[in-house]
Amino acid sequence: NAGVTQTPKFQVLKTGQSMTLQCAQDMNHNSMYWYRQDPGMGLRLIYYSASEGTTDKGEVPNGYNVSRLNKREFSLRLESAAPSQTSVYFCASSDGTYHNTEAFFGQGTRLTVV
Amino acid sequence: AQKITQTQPGMFVQEKEAVTLDCTYDTSDPSYGLFWYKQPSSGEMIFLIYQGSYDQQNATEGRYSLNFQKARKSANLVISASQLGDSAMYFCAMREGPYSGAGSYQLTFGKGTKLSVIP
Repeated sequence: NAGVTQTPKFQVLKTGQSMTLQCAQDMNHNSMYWYRQDPGMGLRLIYYSASEGTTDKGEVPNGYNVSRLNKREFSLRLESAAPSQTSVYFCASSDGTYHNTEAFFGQGTRLTVV
Repeated sequence: AQKITQTQPGMFVQEKEAVTLDCTYDTSDPSYGLFWYKQPSSGEMIFLIYQGSYDQQNATEGRYSLNFQKARKSANLVISASQLGDSAMYFCAMREGPYSGAGSYQLTFGKGTKLSVIP
């Protein structure tokens, strides 16, 4: 009963390095989301995928790319990390077919860019 | 314009008292859902309660209830009989339906309210 699994849980990057955050869900959900959480800013949507094969920008997409590899997996890539991308990143999924289904969240990835 | 507004950065409540956390939203889609999540200091996101735009009655889940005023576009969370374990960040969120164009099915969060329960 894993739900939404994010890896890694912690990561330290140097400015300019790249990395991919992995997310997988085992609930057969259609929609998947990537958020970042910064103090006082709530959760801001980076990218989302309403269904397999589609991705759309959210509120803060600059500096990120995503791939919906299949129905289970939705990855977030930082091509050239910047200190401003230091944050806690959450992946989430929901059924997506109807608006009345809650999102389930991963445990988060704490990323520090130095 | 912000889609979800939570105007209370922080709230204090005495143990066993009730507390209301405010949330207003903005959408032109007639079909949407409103959610409340709790985030304790451990960091996980815990779903609390849901209200649909077509629901006639206010949602309730145990000690949580949602005061839904559609005309005012507000969806306040009411926690009755507060407990020390209720101390956490609380987030209001909205998921718009299929009529929001590029925003369809986005799940947007407010900035949150930090609730502290005093013994």
